[in-house]
Amino acid sequence: AQSVTQLGSHVSVSEGALVLLRCNYSSSVPPYLFWYVQYPNQGLQLLLKYTSAATLVKGINGFEAEFKKSETSFHLTKPSAHMSDAAEYFCAVSDKIRGSYIPTFGRGTSLIVHP
Amino acid sequence: SQTIHQWPATLVQPVGSPLSLECTVEGTSNPNLYWYRQAAGRGLQLLFYSVGIGQISSEVPQNLSASRPQDRQFILSSKKLLLSDSGFYLCAWREHTGVDTGELFFGEGSRLTVL
Repeated sequence: AQSVTQLGSHVSVSEGALVLLRCNYSSSVPPYLFWYVQYPNQGLQLLLKYTSAATLVKGINGFEAEFKKSETSFHLTKPSAHMSDAAEYFCAVSDKIRGSYIPTFGRGTSLIVHP
Repeated sequence: SQTIHQWPATLVQPVGSPLSLECTVEGTSNPNLYWYRQAAGRGLQLLFYSVGIGQISSEVPQNLSASRPQDRQFILSSKKLLLSDSGFYLCAWREHTGVDTGELFFGEGSRLTVL
């Protein structure tokens, strides 16, 4: 079974600073990887996904992530944080169970943005 | 376009009472449907998924059950709630088009508090 580890349950940055949210995965086969964002009391929205094409993936709201197979990582970055980026972020990896890809989620990282 | 609806959005129930959370998807046919539970600091736990009417797979043995009486309807139930059933419940769907990567689309969630 595949697994996902998100380093740091909370990350705090100043507005305008670099955002870096870390995600490492374990997989015995090339994975599909995702980042989702969750605003308070809402469902999850897809930020971006890696599906074995380009290793640098660009998503919505200025976020991007780079797939590094040698490091088994898929870290999420944004050059300049905005107050509206404050939310919970989840990394996920697809795991093929019983013939159907089902994602496994990390525990989430809460991004706090200070003015 | 496809939409997903969950209700109720918020629910407060006494221990031992029954539960019914509903989820419907519009604008697609034969979707895969999922129920996740989100507890504080514990990420998303897959509870049930369904690949078709009447087909339910349970990932975690517990006090809950799921049913899919119609193609685009997914119901989460309990006969007697426990305190530990409190949490944020998320319904999600996935469509069988193109490459199956496991990307999910989430509802807005239902917050259950058991007292």
